[in-house]
Amino acid sequence: QQPVQSPQAVILREGEDAVINCSSSKALYSVHWYRQKHGEAPVFLMILLKGGEQKGHEKISASFNEKKQQSSLYLTASQLSYSGTYFCGTEKGSGGGADGLTFGKGTHLIIQP
Amino acid sequence: DAGVIQSPRHEVTEMGQEVTLRCKPISGHDYLFWYRQTMMRGLELLIYFNNNVPIDDSGMPEDRFSAKMPNASFSTLKIQPSEPRDSAVYFCASRLRGGQAFFGQGTRLTVV
Repeated sequence: QQPVQSPQAVILREGEDAVINCSSSKALYSVHWYRQKHGEAPVFLMILLKGGEQKGHEKISASFNEKKQQSSLYLTASQLSYSGTYFCGTEKGSGGGADGLTFGKGTHLIIQP
Repeated sequence: DAGVIQSPRHEVTEMGQEVTLRCKPISGHDYLFWYRQTMMRGLELLIYFNNNVPIDDSGMPEDRFSAKMPNASFSTLKIQPSEPRDSAVYFCASRLRGGQAFFGQGTRLTVV
């Protein structure tokens, strides 16, 4: 089952903040976040493991609430280069990092100058 | 390492023809995934392998789709016969257990 992402799309002005949410109906072992530019392959941003982990990557950070089976990606002071489609990928709790990585439908982020 | 290598990058074929997509994973990675990407469905997991063995093929849409991994450095995804609704971008990805997935550049398939 694909995780559910929200919103489907968001348009921001440069410098504004955004939050992208990802939720699953299944117990999760990990959540992955990727960004894809048009016509390119998805590129890895970060992995969060169960345990309420939070991670940061420049001005992009994420949290993982395993009890709620939810993760959120935070983009602060957005830059034009942040434009693209963001995907969350989830692994079920049973595999210990060895399950198939299932992705949501993506969130399209457009940053305007 | 050159990363995950897919071929061809683009494929245009006629309905009913057989199509074979190829993937060379990153050396040493023990997991290989095949995904299909469309606007409507996003990134769909079709099948994945661990140490060349298929683990879960529940995402393969129909019997027309098949995938093999004869050795650690090569995998194929075959569609026979192809249909226009199979048109999509197909990605191969590889990873180590618990690690990030590295994606190939994808194969854009158009079935006319």
